[in-house]
Amino acid sequence: GENVEQHPSTLSVQEGDSAVIKCTYSDSASNYFPWYKQELGKGPQLIIDIRSNVGEKKDQRIAVTLNKTAKHFSLHITETQPEDSAVYFCAASIAVNRDDKIIFGKGTRLHILP
Amino acid sequence: SAVISQKPSRDICQRGTSLTIQCQVDSQVTMMFWYRQQPGQSLTLIATANQGSEATYESGFVIDKFPISRPNLTFSTLTVSNMSPEDSSIYLCSVASIGDTIYFGEGSWLTVV
Repeated sequence: GENVEQHPSTLSVQEGDSAVIKCTYSDSASNYFPWYKQELGKGPQLIIDIRSNVGEKKDQRIAVTLNKTAKHFSLHITETQPEDSAVYFCAASIAVNRDDKIIFGKGTRLHILP
Repeated sequence: SAVISQKPSRDICQRGTSLTIQCQVDSQVTMMFWYRQQPGQSLTLIATANQGSEATYESGFVIDKFPISRPNLTFSTLTVSNMSPEDSSIYLCSVASIGDTIYFGEGSWLTVV
């Protein structure tokens, strides 16, 4: 089955700098890659997702890149702000609306330093 | 995006008791799932709630411990039975809309004492 590895487990960056979180997946059939942000005391919130037919997607300060050949995808946050401090989860799936499941990485705790 | 409401949001339970968590979605969805998130950990899928039939459980989770109902396309319940301190976790309802996007509720934070 699918396996998702996420690195680093903890990341500290100065406010205003960029943060990059990387994930790898094992099943080449996976074609949907969402990212979730979980703030303390809240449920995971979808922040961006990408499908295998594109290599990059951007939404304001957040971007995700996908390399299907290498089976890895990354989350990029630019101009980081204190409210970006949270735990971020990557995930991979083949097709949620069938029997295949979405598999999550172990999470990255991002600290934005003042 | 779907709006998901979970009840209770938080509870402290006595060991040996059972608690039922409710999940209500504001629109009809194809798939509903229940996840467990232990403190400081990632999300682990408990089961897929199937409308009108028995839930599909993941390895390590059984119906006797986590009975699930889904009477219609917008509502599901998860019961945590005969609770022990090891069941202290966040239990999350999630739904999948057309196009494979998964959304999560705010979670039910259970502490078993």
